Amino acid sequence: GAVVSQHPSWVICKSGTSVKIECRSLDFQATTMFWYRQFPKQSLMLMATSNEGSKATYEQGVEKDKFLINHASLTLSTLTVTSAHPEDSSFYICSASHQIMNTEAFFGQGTRLTVV
Amino acid sequence: GIQVEQSPPDLILQEGANSTLRCNFSDSVNNLQWFHQNPWGQLINLFYIPSGTKQNGRLSATTVATERYSLLYISSSQTTDSGVYFCAVKTSYDKVIFGPGTSLSVIP
Repeated sequence: GAVVSQHPSWVICKSGTSVKIECRSLDFQATTMFWYRQFPKQSLMLMATSNEGSKATYEQGVEKDKFLINHASLTLSTLTVTSAHPEDSSFYICSASHQIMNTEAFFGQGTRLTVV
Repeated sequence: GIQVEQSPPDLILQEGANSTLRCNFSDSVNNLQWFHQNPWGQLINLFYIPSGTKQNGRLSATTVATERYSLLYISSSQTTDSGVYFCAVKTSYDKVIFGPGTSLSVIP
């Protein structure tokens, strides 16, 4: 199957700083990627849809100024958590579907963010 | 928006037992996937199954799209099957929405 790579796998940052997470589709092009957040013992919650060449669309309740998304190419989307606080500590995971085939979704390995 | 339910929420099995996990969804979907999330958080894609039945070793899945449910069968369970199982559906907006998951513990 297709490969989606996420980096970094884990990151610890201080309160008030910003953290960037990268999501790459390694062997296919994706006009759309998705970002999810997962708190301990909960399901994955969709945060936003990342659209190549245009603005991201955010789910209700997700602060777009807090979670900046950039989808500059057909293989890369980035999520920046700005002015991070301890409550932003979570597991963040991205997904992408093949641009043309648009069948199953492939997921990155996730990024565990801890804000201290 | 679409609602995805999974049952049971928790399941404890003796090694070697069989189990059935269920996923119900409230509206028509473009496709459905089953995942196993390992202890490190990685999602393992088990099945892409918008309809019909598929089998992969001890696992099989059936989706009846017209009745809006899918089943995941695990036979001869092993301790390595422990973890959380999610079903996820793709909506007409291409969004993939996850169910709440079934937490499975297989004990020796």
